[in-house]
Amino acid sequence: DADVTQTPRNRITKTGKRIMLECSQTKGHDRMYWYRQDPGLGLRLIYYSFDVKDINKGEISDGYSVSRQAQAKFSLSLESAIPNQTALYFCATSPTRGKVTGELFFGEGSRLTVL
Amino acid sequence: AQSVTQPDIHITVSEGASLELRCNYSYGATPYLFWYVQSPGQGLQLLLKYFSGDTLVQGIKGFEAEFKRSQSSFNLRKPSVHWSDAAEYFCAVGAAGANNLFFGTGTRLTVIP
Repeated sequence: DADVTQTPRNRITKTGKRIMLECSQTKGHDRMYWYRQDPGLGLRLIYYSFDVKDINKGEISDGYSVSRQAQAKFSLSLESAIPNQTALYFCATSPTRGKVTGELFFGEGSRLTVL
Repeated sequence: AQSVTQPDIHITVSEGASLELRCNYSYGATPYLFWYVQSPGQGLQLLLKYFSGDTLVQGIKGFEAEFKRSQSSFNLRKPSVHWSDAAEYFCAVGAAGANNLFFGTGTRLTVIP
């Protein structure tokens, strides 16, 4: 089983619909992240969380919200999806090593298409 | 501002040939550098990382990378490419105290027989 699991893996929805992407991890890491991948743009950070009570915006948080339900679970929501949110979304985790940002462990991605 | 540049969008090499993927970074602090690989339909997997010490680092799958501070570069190399190396490769930079990693736009590698 994958250490970082994302659901759903694929989703097609319509403009204006609310969408939730879920991420769960069994790695025991404190830090969790949501990234968005677009062709030619690489990965861009949407939100990150260092623990259940610590949620932070990334560089492209507009139009998104998150919830850290437990140490192992971090959900990304699109309250009213729009076509330019069509992308591949990745959840990632990272262990806490003091103040070092170290290796990220990625899920397999959730492909979202907004029509 | 932090940034990572991968100047090659797409590279094609013959199987058995050598490979070098370029990565240049701009970062205000001492950087921690990473190379990730993404196979089709998969998430990103860490190939190697540099935090400090020896500037030539070895990774998985026969890859290596060299940190050159004077050139702000962290190029990825492999002496002999295998067909299974076809994938997209991402360079990333972070630092002590940073909250996340910054990724380059990726280089797609095609391997021809």
